[in-house]
Amino acid sequence: GAGVSQSPSNKVTEKGKDVELRCDPISGHTALYWYRQSLGQGLEFLIYFQGNSAPDKSGLPSDRFSAERTGGSVSTLTIQRTQQEDSAVYLCASSKQGGGNEQFFGPGTRLTVL
Amino acid sequence: EDQVTQSPEALRLQEGESSSLNCSYTVSGLRGLFWYRQDPGKGPEFLFTLYSAGEEKEKERLKATLTKKESFLHITAPKPEDSATYLCAAEDTGRRALTFGSGTRLQVQP
Repeated sequence: GAGVSQSPSNKVTEKGKDVELRCDPISGHTALYWYRQSLGQGLEFLIYFQGNSAPDKSGLPSDRFSAERTGGSVSTLTIQRTQQEDSAVYLCASSKQGGGNEQFFGPGTRLTVL
Repeated sequence: EDQVTQSPEALRLQEGESSSLNCSYTVSGLRGLFWYRQDPGKGPEFLFTLYSAGEEKEKERLKATLTKKESFLHITAPKPEDSATYLCAAEDTGRRALTFGSGTRLQVQP
């Protein structure tokens, strides 16, 4: 079956512009996660969605970052007024449910802010 | 605060030379310990989940073990195709997100 897909695969933008990153989780997975991987560093949690519950936004680094999940499926991560330090690979993952289940990752979106 | 530390940062092995990767974790309560493999330019690929101390899981040349403070990924007779970055992550009972270590870059030379 299809895995987690993300688009675009690469995004180059200018400092101050807004960007939207998209994630399509595995069909039937109710939990969806966003992580950020900066060069040479580990994955950093950003936000978690589980079904219709309020999302866990505890990892968002600033109020320029936001995410939504429509219809319990597709998710969009939005970064407003991008800064150079936002340059990273943004990874999306989904799992059958939150809690103890393996997360399956997409290929990521490489964001470069000039 | 949850913390996961992996060592070594990088490891170079000859084909057939067995070794182990270490993952030390500090969480208030462990829900699961996960191992992933990541190839350059790709997302992490799931390998194992361990839930309790003493548990072991195997897949081909890889075996993962878990104690109350550490996990080990043992690689037996590695091949060049095992070259990748191996990531360890812990899930705390108090939150759903994974805390990742910074990874071990493994290179297996023929």
